[in-house]
Amino acid sequence: AQSVTQLDSHVSVSEGTPVLLRCNYSSSYSPSLFWYVQHPNKGLQLLLKYTSAATLVKGINGFEAEFKKSETSFHLTKPSAHMSDAAEYFCVVRAYSGGGADGLTFGKGTHLIIQP
Amino acid sequence: GAVVSQHPSRVICKSGTSVKIECRSLDFQATTMFWYRQFPKQSLMLMATSNEGSKATYEQGVEKDKFLINHASLTLSTLTVTSAHPEDSSFYICSATAGPPLTQYFGPGTRLTVL
Repeated sequence: AQSVTQLDSHVSVSEGTPVLLRCNYSSSYSPSLFWYVQHPNKGLQLLLKYTSAATLVKGINGFEAEFKKSETSFHLTKPSAHMSDAAEYFCVVRAYSGGGADGLTFGKGTHLIIQP
Repeated sequence: GAVVSQHPSRVICKSGTSVKIECRSLDFQATTMFWYRQFPKQSLMLMATSNEGSKATYEQGVEKDKFLINHASLTLSTLTVTSAHPEDSSFYICSATAGPPLTQYFGPGTRLTVL
């Protein structure tokens, strides 16, 4: 079984300052980890994914995340926030059990607020 | 690439009626599709895994007789909410898997409101 914990339900930063969205996971198997963003009234968009290659993963719109196995963490960062980054962010884990495609387990989400 | 569509985007129905939601992979074939439900201001919860040509696998607590899933082709899965009740009102989202590496691409979602 796998689970995801997003440590902050809301994060508020000023435009131009760094963003840190925290995520911890647990998994019985080697996990694949994802960050998705959901803008109001829009579908989920994949920001980035980790699939056992490089531990530092770069995604779209300047976001990146680092997989730290020792800390079971996959925090999302961005050096400089933009107003358009305001959205709901989900940390997601897929545990590969050898059976092919598996459903995803979503964290509860972090609402990112950007202050002008 | 890897675009997933859903139809309809919004539907309002009366209590007791059935509603069908379609999920299509537009530019790729998906042997596996997933159905999720998202209640307001909550996270997505996996409802079922839909495999082309076989029965869907439902998550614990999801009634298979209420949420009928059909995956008749490699590009289409349908979710039918039977005898809908107001508590079924939710945002239903499908995803289709492409890869390797296996990645899920999500549809835009269908907002169901049961009066």
